[in-house]
Amino acid sequence: QVQLLESGGGVVQPGTSLRLSCVASGFTFTSFGMHWVRQAPGKGLEWVALVSNDGKNTHYADSVRGRFTISRDDSENTLYLQMSSLRPEDTAFYYCAKQMGGWYNDYWGRGTLVTVSS
Amino acid sequence: DIQLTQSPTFLSASVGDRVTITCRASQAISSFVAWYQQKPGRAPKLLIYAASTLHSGVPFRFSGSGSGTESTLTISSLQPEDFATYYCQQVHSDPITFGQGTRLEIK
Repeated sequence: QVQLLESGGGVVQPGTSLRLSCVASGFTFTSFGMHWVRQAPGKGLEWVALVSNDGKNTHYADSVRGRFTISRDDSENTLYLQMSSLRPEDTAFYYCAKQMGGWYNDYWGRGTLVTVSS
Repeated sequence: DIQLTQSPTFLSASVGDRVTITCRASQAISSFVAWYQQKPGRAPKLLIYAASTLHSGVPFRFSGSGSGTESTLTISSLQPEDFATYYCQQVHSDPITFGQGTRLEIK
């Protein structure tokens, strides 16, 4: 069965960096694009970024473009989100999500919490 | 960016009721719409994609329709496990956007 397991969240100060990981299993990782979606506590869903199945194409939300980098290591079946210049408004649960046909997300991880606070 | 506005934002209903949630887009998005269900403390689950295609394993009481700028999610007969928050998503254009959510609670 498809499993997505995020890690790397924590409490960090504004202006610092953090890298999130998502280990995927139960499907052929190289065949699917992958996304990061976040959710501030008690708020709605916000799409963050996606990477194509071959890693050649990436897209970002305006709110993170230039600060976050999505990437993948197909040898490790792992998705990454490198976050820099973190701001308090980046505080959220970060979910990785598998892409199906189109840009829809058919499976999601359980999320990892990032808190940006001084 | 394409803005999605869901209505209502809060809905109180009873088991057995038929409910409909609407998602309106700021511009035409054809049928490039998905609906997700999220329960407290849990990740979202895909219910419907391409406006009307039921995701594998989703009960038939869920259905979707729409095109252009308006999409709807209908639950034909509410079950206790359906009380949750529902989000629409457009994948027509980059950046991908979500509606603000509709919280469905037991009356």
